[in-house]
Amino acid sequence: DTAVSQTPKYLVTQMGNDKSIKCEQNLGHDTMYWYKQDSKKFLKIMFSYNNKELIINETVPNRFSPKSPDKAHLNLHINSLELGDSAVYFCASSPGRTYTFGSGTRLTVV
Amino acid sequence: RKEVEQDPGPFNVPEGATVAFNCTYSNSASQSFFWYRQDCRKEPKLLMSVYSSGNEDGRFTAQLNRASQYISLLIRDSKLSDSATYLCVVIGYSGGGADGLTFGKGTHLIIQP
Repeated sequence: DTAVSQTPKYLVTQMGNDKSIKCEQNLGHDTMYWYKQDSKKFLKIMFSYNNKELIINETVPNRFSPKSPDKAHLNLHINSLELGDSAVYFCASSPGRTYTFGSGTRLTVV
Repeated sequence: RKEVEQDPGPFNVPEGATVAFNCTYSNSASQSFFWYRQDCRKEPKLLMSVYSSGNEDGRFTAQLNRASQYISLLIRDSKLSDSATYLCVVIGYSGGGADGLTFGKGTHLIIQP
């Protein structure tokens, strides 16, 4: 069983579209995260959710919105996609010090 | 100043050699330290935690120097399978809870046969 699963694995879309990336974890962890890895391979935190509360919100555009229907899911919704949004997005979950990452969603905006 | 800084490399090292990476962090309140490994087009995976007393896991040795705010990773008898990007990671804590992982940009290691 995959501990942290993301869908889709690849996403190619046009500028201006709205898209969502889904993430689910079956580890029972309290906190889930979204990270963005850009073309320079730099991993940067975007959001985290702890028991359905947003506790970190880095300076990302408000076109990005995390949505958590329950403790096991943290989806990422992106409005009005731009070329610069092209990146790999990783979901992660953590009970505290250790983190488990999903396999990533490679988003390409054309 | 970046929060976590690493030499991006690439480090080209012959198989069997010993290689060392360093990493510096700016937040003196950082509580926990790790080395993660990321293979090409894959997710980061925990390699090892880093403790003040230094710790070893097989061919890998990690050390933390809190006074100088740097972390090191030593790989002995390097294998071809060690080729990857090594990410220095710190965790800081604020009043609201964990700040999550802060990553360095990673050091790219290439082991050559």
